[in-house]
Amino acid sequence: GAGVSQSPRYKVAKRGQDVALRCDPISGHVSLFWYQQALGQGPEFLTYFQNEAQLDKSGLPSDRFFAERPEGSVSTLKIQRTQQEDSAVYLCASSSFSVGTEAFFGQGTRLTVV
Amino acid sequence: GQQVMQIPQYQHVQEGEDFTTYCNSSTTLSNIQWYKQRPGGHPVFLIQLVKSGEVKKQKRLTFQFGEAKKNSSLHITATQTTDVGTYFCAGPGVTGGGNKLTFGTGTQLKVEL
Repeated sequence: GAGVSQSPRYKVAKRGQDVALRCDPISGHVSLFWYQQALGQGPEFLTYFQNEAQLDKSGLPSDRFFAERPEGSVSTLKIQRTQQEDSAVYLCASSSFSVGTEAFFGQGTRLTVV
Repeated sequence: GQQVMQIPQYQHVQEGEDFTTYCNSSTTLSNIQWYKQRPGGHPVFLIQLVKSGEVKKQKRLTFQFGEAKKNSSLHITATQTTDVGTYFCAGPGVTGGGNKLTFGTGTQLKVEL
């Protein structure tokens, strides 16, 4: 596609509900990243995929967070039993190589947990 | 862990004034990237610097990478209202290889007419 696409753009979840956030990276991009951005803060790394392999998940805040990219293209970030502190914008980014190239970000999914 | 700090946190300028944001890393960086995020938008890549002391220009924007590769700056000459947004520097993470980006705290720029 022309850019990184994320859906939904907005999600309101009740505390305790599970959510799934989708990312369609730029076609052919090897690397895919998930970031979490709280209001007024910079994006914080969650996890990284190279093709279908999840090479780094050091930023996932708890075992309630799970990400997958089964066929090396579309990725899903799942959050189980959402809590209020999970409220943030979740950004997906892709890049053509693994290191040292620009990241193309999607518009993000704004998650609000009530 | 690795920290990337930016100053100032906020900057209000009159249109036509210059603006500078400074980025400092707690660790030496192999490269540094700069991103701009408009209000309500997503980060958009501006530039990458790799060499010690490197200076790059994009029209009214001048980017510099420090000699020790631990700091960087972005200078905008004669700001315009289209420059409004938050400017982030970002360096490769020290854990898990250089794949992830560690973003700075950001500098929010507001330009008044």
